[in-house]
Amino acid sequence: AQSVAQPEDQVNVAEGNPLTVKCTYSVSGNPYLFWYVQYPNRGLQFLLKYITGDNLVKGSYGFEAEFNKSQTSFHLKKPSALVSDSALYFCAVRDELLSGSARQLTFGSGTQLTVLP
Amino acid sequence: DVKVTQSSRYLVKRTGEKVFLECVQDMDHENMFWYRQDPGLGLRLIYFSYDVKMKEKGDIPEGYSVSREKKERFSLILESASTNQTSMYLCASSLDPVLGAGTEAFFGQGTRLTVV
Repeated sequence: AQSVAQPEDQVNVAEGNPLTVKCTYSVSGNPYLFWYVQYPNRGLQFLLKYITGDNLVKGSYGFEAEFNKSQTSFHLKKPSALVSDSALYFCAVRDELLSGSARQLTFGSGTQLTVLP
Repeated sequence: DVKVTQSSRYLVKRTGEKVFLECVQDMDHENMFWYRQDPGLGLRLIYFSYDVKMKEKGDIPEGYSVSREKKERFSLILESASTNQTSMYLCASSLDPVLGAGTEAFFGQGTRLTVV
């Protein structure tokens, strides 16, 4: 089975400070990892993904994420937060070994990021 | 600009009503998905479809059915709405039949359904 955990329901950070949104996962095989963002009254938008290759992945809007296999983590980061980054962030994982209907993406519970001016 | 459009942003229905949620995509994707989003639970897959008239159950199909008569349209049906189906419903489409195989998914803006 595959699972993903976002241990923080809420993250607050001051504008201009670095931000981190945490994500850990559990899979049997190799993971495919994604971050999506949901702005108020909007659907989810793709931010970035890790399939293979460099552990540091760069995505949209200045976000990046670091894949750490030993810690089974895929934390989302940004060096300098903006008020406009305030949104709901979802981590998602897929285990490359799964087949059938179980092979679909599993989403975390979401982390509400608030950037304070 | 790619687009996934859900016909309603907000819906209020009564218990026992039959409810249709519509989703249309203009990207010629074969694969479409219905999720529900609940606080603290994230997104959970209800049904998906990898071709016209083809469907497959997701993690929480009970109480729901789907229809895919045309490639661009994927409908979610609540046969007899209940209060525990009050939720945000998100439609998505993708090039991949497996959401998360490698390419990104495109989501609609969501339909917030309240069953009273």
